[in-house]
Amino acid sequence: TQLLEQSPQFLSIQEGENLTVYCNSSSVFSSLQWYRQEPGEGPVLLVTVVTGGEVKKLKRLTFQFGDARKDSSLHITAAQPGDTGLYLCAGDRGSTLGRLYFGRGTQLTVWP
Amino acid sequence: EAQVTQNPRYLITVTGKKLTVTCSQNMNHEYMSWYRQDPGLGLRQIYYSMNVEVTDKGDVPEGYKVSRKEKRNFPLILESPSPNQTSLYFCASSGTSLGVLGPYEQYFGPGTRLTVT
Repeated sequence: TQLLEQSPQFLSIQEGENLTVYCNSSSVFSSLQWYRQEPGEGPVLLVTVVTGGEVKKLKRLTFQFGDARKDSSLHITAAQPGDTGLYLCAGDRGSTLGRLYFGRGTQLTVWP
Repeated sequence: EAQVTQNPRYLITVTGKKLTVTCSQNMNHEYMSWYRQDPGLGLRQIYYSMNVEVTDKGDVPEGYKVSRKEKRNFPLILESPSPNQTSLYFCASSGTSLGVLGPYEQYFGPGTRLTVT
């Protein structure tokens, strides 16, 4: 069973549109991280959210951590072709094991 | 430059021929992990290590072995590879600079694409 469920699995949009990707769980996490992966490369960390209700912005990307620390969302405003990639959320349950639990990812394609 | 390196990047082998994929990090991180990535299944953890000589199974450890004899290195060993181990493999490391309870932000290697025929 997947601890973190991401939706949608695929997203294909035109340049300039807005979109939201969701990452949901029934478990509480001490932090949630978002990664982006481009073809042929390893995932790269975009942001970490730690506090329930926290909102972080990275240019046109807005990340939110749910109040109960069970879910997170990624919103992209005015998407550009350069945003194309696989977006992964990952949760840290706060143990000393250093283990992350990944969602299956959202494949975003932005067409010019 | 802070990085995680993996070798080889591409490997084609035959069933049953033992192989090792190396992973090395230069950030003095305590934690290292191996993942495999398959279409539709996302990233699945194979093994992880909390420090030298301390390793534990992840979600899909069958058919794999690891060792952590030095802090910087975490090789993945396939004693008898089978076609169902054809996949894209990633090594990752993370440290405790933000505190022993995390968050454990991971740095990934470039990946090793393995094909077992």
